[in-house]
Amino acid sequence: GESVGLHLPTLSVQEGDNSIINCAYSNSASDYFIWYKQESGKGPQFIIDIRSNMDKRQGQRVTVLLNKTVKHLSLQIAATQPGDSAVYFCAEIDQGAQKLVFGQGTRLTINP
Amino acid sequence: GAVVSQHPSRVICKSGTSVKIECRSLDFQATTMFWYRQFPKQSLMLMATSNEGSKATYEQGVEKDKFLINHASLTLSTLTVTSAHPEDSSFYICSARVRASAVGQYFGPGTRLTVT
Repeated sequence: GESVGLHLPTLSVQEGDNSIINCAYSNSASDYFIWYKQESGKGPQFIIDIRSNMDKRQGQRVTVLLNKTVKHLSLQIAATQPGDSAVYFCAEIDQGAQKLVFGQGTRLTINP
Repeated sequence: GAVVSQHPSRVICKSGTSVKIECRSLDFQATTMFWYRQFPKQSLMLMATSNEGSKATYEQGVEKDKFLINHASLTLSTLTVTSAHPEDSSFYICSARVRASAVGQYFGPGTRLTVT
C-alpha cells in the first residue's frame, strides 16, 4: 500500500552543525505533511508542517523542503543542539480519511 | 493552547485483566480523537478514530471488541484494553484535532502499558 518512509534510520551530527533528515513518500495525492519530534517515553511533538502548494517553509531553526517531483520531504535543523536528540517522524495526511500516516522515523543523536 | 493529556502515564496489569486509558483535551473541545499504538523502535500505527457521540472507526486488523473506545464528551475519549495479554504491552498515544476543520493533530504524552 501507499506509505511514507525515511531514507536513514539513524543520523549522528556534531553539536552546532546542521542536520538534514529525509523522507520519501509514495502517495502523490497527499497534500499536507508534518514533521514530529518524539523524545523517549513521550508523545510526538509538532515541529513544522507544509502544504503541497509550497516547496519550502521555515520556522525557528527548522526548515522543511518539499519536492513533489520526486516525492521527497526533508527537515533541516540549524545549529543542532543536544536538546534536538530525538526520533523524528514525517507524516502525511490522507485527506480523504483525514488520517495521519507516519513514516518509520529517524533517530538523531548529537555528538558533543 | 491545544494541550492533550493522558492518564495513567504508566500502568502494569496482569494477563486477563482490563485496563482503561483516558485521553483529555484540556483547553479545547475535540470532536475527533485518535488512538495510536507504538511498539519499541517502531512508528506510530493508527488503531482507531474516535468521534464524539458515535461509534469509533477501527483500522483494519484492530479488534474492536478487544480495544473498546468511548468518546462520551468533547473533551474525553477512553480506550479500554480488555482481557489484556503480554503482546498488548505497548505505548498507547492519543491525539486530537483542535477543530473539525483542522488538518493537524496534537498528541498526548502516551501511556506505557505492561501486561505481565
